[in-house]
Amino acid sequence: AQKVTQAQTEISVVEKEDVTLDCVYETRDTTYYLFWYKQPPSGELVFLIRRNSFDEQNEISGRYSWNFQKSTSSFNFTITASQVVDSAVYFCALRGGTGANNLFFGTGTRLTVIP
Amino acid sequence: DARVTQTPRHKVTEMGQEVTMRCQPILGHNTVFWYRQTMMQGLELLAYFRNRAPLDDSGMPKDRFSAEMPDATLATLKIQPSEPRDSAVYFCASGLPTSGGYEQYFGPGTRLTVT
Repeated sequence: AQKVTQAQTEISVVEKEDVTLDCVYETRDTTYYLFWYKQPPSGELVFLIRRNSFDEQNEISGRYSWNFQKSTSSFNFTITASQVVDSAVYFCALRGGTGANNLFFGTGTRLTVIP
Repeated sequence: DARVTQTPRHKVTEMGQEVTMRCQPILGHNTVFWYRQTMMQGLELLAYFRNRAPLDDSGMPKDRFSAEMPDATLATLKIQPSEPRDSAVYFCASGLPTSGGYEQYFGPGTRLTVT
């Protein structure tokens, strides 16, 4: 069974602070894929990143960085120098390597960046 | 800038009425997913198609929901008869299979309210 846990329901930070969003996953597949999506107040889901289970190299994209740790089944997301435009709900998702191709989403973390 | 489009963006209807939601996937994407987002259940897969053929609709209540892809540029999700518990945001996503799994690109969603 696939499962994604985002224990942080809501986080508030002051602009320019760094913030880390946690994601813990469960899967029995040896090959799997992890994703992060952003859902701003407008409601759409914006793809941020995909990671496969063979690639544990951390990734940085501008102010965003992702830390993938297979040993702890975590795929955490850090925003550096947060901005008000980062305010959104962030979803972590998992797709198994076999069977269905759908994404299993966590419950999301609502990030509010206070100016 | 290729995007998934969904119509209507908002729909308010009375219980018992038929509702049809439409999705135009990104040109060239051969896989289409329908998800539903509610406060209680979060994001959950309803159905998905590859090359217009339904591959998995196990998440969909069969007695009232139906999903089709009459052609490569149109996917539909129909509810008949609608019930108040169907009130949710329905997302369509399209993607292409890659070595890293699908990168699913989501439409803006249809917010359905059944009174």
